[in-house]
Amino acid sequence: KAGVTQTPRYLIKTRGQQVTLSCSPISGHRSVSWYQQTPGQGLQFLFEYFSETQRNKGNFPGRFSGRQFSNSRSEMNVSTLELGDSALYLCASSLDTRRNSPLHFGNGTRLTVT
Amino acid sequence: DQQVKQNSPSLSVQEGRISILNCDYTNSMFDYFLWYKKYPAEGPTFLISISSIKDKNEDGRFTVFLNKSAKHLSLHIVPSQPGDSAVYFCAASEGTDSNYQLIWGAGTKLIIKP
Repeated sequence: KAGVTQTPRYLIKTRGQQVTLSCSPISGHRSVSWYQQTPGQGLQFLFEYFSETQRNKGNFPGRFSGRQFSNSRSEMNVSTLELGDSALYLCASSLDTRRNSPLHFGNGTRLTVT
Repeated sequence: DQQVKQNSPSLSVQEGRISILNCDYTNSMFDYFLWYKKYPAEGPTFLISISSIKDKNEDGRFTVFLNKSAKHLSLHIVPSQPGDSAVYFCAASEGTDSNYQLIWGAGTKLIIKP
């Protein structure tokens, strides 16, 4: 079974631009979550989607948005990029939304904002 | 305000000895805890979990202990192997399957010395 695929792996953008990150979950997984990881910080929860609906949202500004498609693939968009948005963005999928359903992470997209 | 704290940024252990990774939390409502392991350039992978109704859970070389009164959990790896060198994250949640968020610690980098 293929794992979670995130594209692109690396991205360099300029302040003020916008960016779209993509995530393909494991086949059969319907829940997709997005996290931001910065040095010295744990994973910060962005949002979770299940069956195309946003179930939960973390404490991030409205510049961060996402969506999920009918095939469970998900995209995350960040508009008006700021230097502080430079981070590793991780996508995780799980079979369902139960707490004991382990998250399966992709290898992340490393975003650098200059 | 970090609700989940991993106070040791790094830990160095001799191969074959026991590795003990610690995690403290402040929210007494947390009732489900997980450990994930992360290698460089890869996403985290699920290791082991524990519910607050237990004080210990074991899976092979990995054992997680939960001390609810101290709001402390620890991950024991016995014996430690070179492949265990990674960053370890603990995460906690409260709530129900339909409404929860995972709160993550900042991680501890474990180095196993040959």
